[in-house]
Amino acid sequence: DTAVSQTPKYLVTQMGNDKSIKCEQNLGHDTMYWYKQDSKKFLKIMFSYNNKELIINETVPNRFSPKSPDKAHLNLHINSLELGDSAVYFCASSPGQGRGYTFGSGTRLTVV
Amino acid sequence: GEDVEQSLFLSVREGDSSVINCTYTDSSSTYLYWYKQEPGAGLQLLTYIFSNMDMKQDQRLTVLLNKKDKHLSLRIADTQTGDSAIYFCARGGSSASKIIFGSGTRLSIRP
Repeated sequence: DTAVSQTPKYLVTQMGNDKSIKCEQNLGHDTMYWYKQDSKKFLKIMFSYNNKELIINETVPNRFSPKSPDKAHLNLHINSLELGDSAVYFCASSPGQGRGYTFGSGTRLTVV
Repeated sequence: GEDVEQSLFLSVREGDSSVINCTYTDSSSTYLYWYKQEPGAGLQLLTYIFSNMDMKQDQRLTVLLNKKDKHLSLRIADTQTGDSAIYFCARGGSSASKIIFGSGTRLSIRP
């Protein structure tokens, strides 16, 4: 019973392609996030949704588009992939009130 | 993690205590967190502390907060090989707003 599940776990694709990463949480949390972790393990927030509504949109290229069909799902679509998009992308969810996040196991994206 | 700073590496002998330090700049941080990341895995929340607390203990883990100096530490007693991981310090506000992470401290255990 995975709490926050992401698919796929690994994604290798060519520059210029479009790809999606899916995330689902079964914790009943209201808020979901996408974080990017670079090769130096630095974690940076990209987006946050609360009950399907976008609440955080950091300085992310508009090639990245999140979509939340319901509060249990937050997908990330990336257009025209570039080499610099290679990273591990983590989905997370939170019940709020500062109780921290529950993370998925990550999607390692490699753009060649 | 430009406003949450940690040293990058720590090496300790098995059975000793590990102390991982963190400093932050935003004094309005309400919650401070410690996360653990094992190779190939996501981040696991270890513990968190409210900014009005000085200390929190949970089994082998002790968190100390010096709010005046904006300094947070995580002490792991009797460090075991299974504690090898990257430990992230993070700060957050009172809602589900974003959490800012430090760059992580890689803890390695030597026999």
